[in-house]
Amino acid sequence: NAGVTQTPKFQVLKTGQSMTLQCAQDMNHEYMSWYRQDPGMGLRLIHYSVGAGITDQGEVPNGYNVSRSTTEDFPLRLLSAAPSQTSVYFCASSYSPLGQPQHFGDGTRLSIL
Amino acid sequence: GESVGLHLPTLSVQEGDNSIINCAYSNSASDYFIWYKQESGKGPQFIIDIRSNMDKRQGQRVTVLLNKTVKHLSLQIAATQPGDSAVYFCAERASGNTGKLIFGQGTTLQVKP
Repeated sequence: NAGVTQTPKFQVLKTGQSMTLQCAQDMNHEYMSWYRQDPGMGLRLIHYSVGAGITDQGEVPNGYNVSRSTTEDFPLRLLSAAPSQTSVYFCASSYSPLGQPQHFGDGTRLSIL
Repeated sequence: GESVGLHLPTLSVQEGDNSIINCAYSNSASDYFIWYKQESGKGPQFIIDIRSNMDKRQGQRVTVLLNKTVKHLSLQIAATQPGDSAVYFCAERASGNTGKLIFGQGTTLQVKP
């Protein structure tokens, strides 16, 4: 059972480039979310989805897009990378957003030069 | 506003001793709390959760205590082992249906052999 799988594990981009961070889960979880983790800031919610076809913004959505065409996948797109987006990105999933623990992937470490 | 904080950034304990990691939260309406463990290079790993209608919950070698009067959460680890060395985060589920988790800054637990 793979759980939550994130790819790539590491990525270096130049300012202005775009890319997609992949997230897939095999637990049939309806709820999926993206967080970024910065030193001294804890984890902050970027976007979330309560089911296929439904997405919404979290705390820090600017500069990121998401889509949820299937239950399993929840990609995060950086439209035009900026140095401020250098961070570690985590995807998480759970059966529901209410009263259920979210399970995290091992993250994508992203550096923007 | 909602925020979750931990009292100590670093806790150092002797192998075999019990560890207590503390967390304070500010939103008295929060109804669900989670403790996560994060090892270097990994994503947060679920340890234990507790709902606001409970004061205490026990798992294997771990106990979470919730004091709603003073808005305080603690994680107790019995017979601490070297493998317990990690950063521990408490998380509070934000009010509403977003599923957003509000994370504290984290406490680094160091276990001395």
